[in-house]
Amino acid sequence: GAVVSQHPSRVICKSGTSVKIECRSLDFQATTMFWYRQFPKQSLMLMATSNEGSKATYEQGVEKDKFLINHASLTLSTLTVTSAHPEDSSFYICSARSQQDSTDTQYFGPGTRLTVL
Amino acid sequence: AQTVTQSQPEMSVQEAETVTLSCTYDTSENNYYLFWYKQPPSRQMILVIRQEAYKQQNATENRFSVNFQKAAKSFSLKISDSQLGDTAMYFCAFTTSGTYKYIFGTGTRLKVLA
Repeated sequence: GAVVSQHPSRVICKSGTSVKIECRSLDFQATTMFWYRQFPKQSLMLMATSNEGSKATYEQGVEKDKFLINHASLTLSTLTVTSAHPEDSSFYICSARSQQDSTDTQYFGPGTRLTVL
Repeated sequence: AQTVTQSQPEMSVQEAETVTLSCTYDTSENNYYLFWYKQPPSRQMILVIRQEAYKQQNATENRFSVNFQKAAKSFSLKISDSQLGDTAMYFCAFTTSGTYKYIFGTGTRLKVLA
């Protein structure tokens, strides 16, 4: 149980284009999803918290117009990197918190490696 | 501010032996959760073990156990009978009950040697 998927696992795009990453909770309903960014050999950096049916809450320093988050259902959140540039190249990870879980545990997706040329 | 500190950037252990990874945290809250996650080379974050702060009993999951010292704000992970598949980055994480946001440590890279 508690499986989270991400799609795509890898994406390469040209500078200036937009890329959408999907995060799905496969066997539970997630009222809250989180988006992280991870640089090589570093820890996870929280970008934003996504709540179903409401606007995402962004961490300080994260541009909300550049990283658009939509949490349209209890099982799906999307992150769109708009007008991507090489500095946006990174590993993006989502996680989800179960509606039924009282322990605040987050379950993580397998990540998406974004390369912007 | 709440912080999580992992003071061991890298560790190694012989297969079948025991290793302990350290984690300390700082908070003024009383209700919180602590977690250890494993990130193998695939980069999939896997929950290893979790501890509720209100529970005095240390959590255990098969070969993994924690030493939770609430007063000292310490949360170490012990891996017994280490296996090659335990080779990974290990992150300690903290969350205050109800906030849902994690604070991660910087990680400890563990290598299990054959």
